Amino acid sequence: SQQGEEDPQALSIQEGENATMNCSYKTSINNLQWYRQNSGRGLVHLILIRSNEREKHSGRLRVTLDTSKKSSSLLITASRAADTASYFCASGVGYALNFGKGTSLLVTP
Amino acid sequence: DTAVSQTPKYLVTQMGNDKSIKCEQNLGHDTMYWYKQDSKKFLKIMFSYNNKELIINETVPNRFSPKSPDKAHLNLHINSLELGDSAVYFCASSQAIVNTEAFFGQGTRLTVV
Repeated sequence: SQQGEEDPQALSIQEGENATMNCSYKTSINNLQWYRQNSGRGLVHLILIRSNEREKHSGRLRVTLDTSKKSSSLLITASRAADTASYFCASGVGYALNFGKGTSLLVTP
Repeated sequence: DTAVSQTPKYLVTQMGNDKSIKCEQNLGHDTMYWYKQDSKKFLKIMFSYNNKELIINETVPNRFSPKSPDKAHLNLHINSLELGDSAVYFCASSQAIVNTEAFFGQGTRLTVV
């Protein structure tokens, strides 16, 4: 079954602004991961947060995880044009990563 | 050096043909995957192999057959191609089968005409 639904589907902001994307999932997870996909390219891993963690930082990225609500958020601070991409959450369940449909982020100069 | 490489990058073929997509990883990972990304960018896992053994085989038509000759390779063979098979297929690998990040190839855009 599909896991991980991102919200919003599309987001357009200006450089310097913060971008927040949300993800919801349906069943218990081992971990929650976020990936970025530039147009026509493969996915690149951004950050992994384990089910017993609540918040994690990596550079300009901040991820939160609320297992009681089965939701996660990805915050990109001080966005840049180079952050323009699709962002996917992936829930680690058993032996698989189950992806959502992604959020398309457009950062304009 | 490319960590996960798959060939070809583009594949255009007629309905009914048989085609293969090759994938190789030089990361020393034990686990490899095939994912399918449709036109709406939805990524769905197709297969997962751990140490050359099939671990996950999602609901995929049996026209799709993965082959893992060794831990570094996971090829995807597709028989009797159909229009609905048109998609981008991604190979990925990870160090362990759970709780680790996955490394993706650049994708193979398959177009069936």
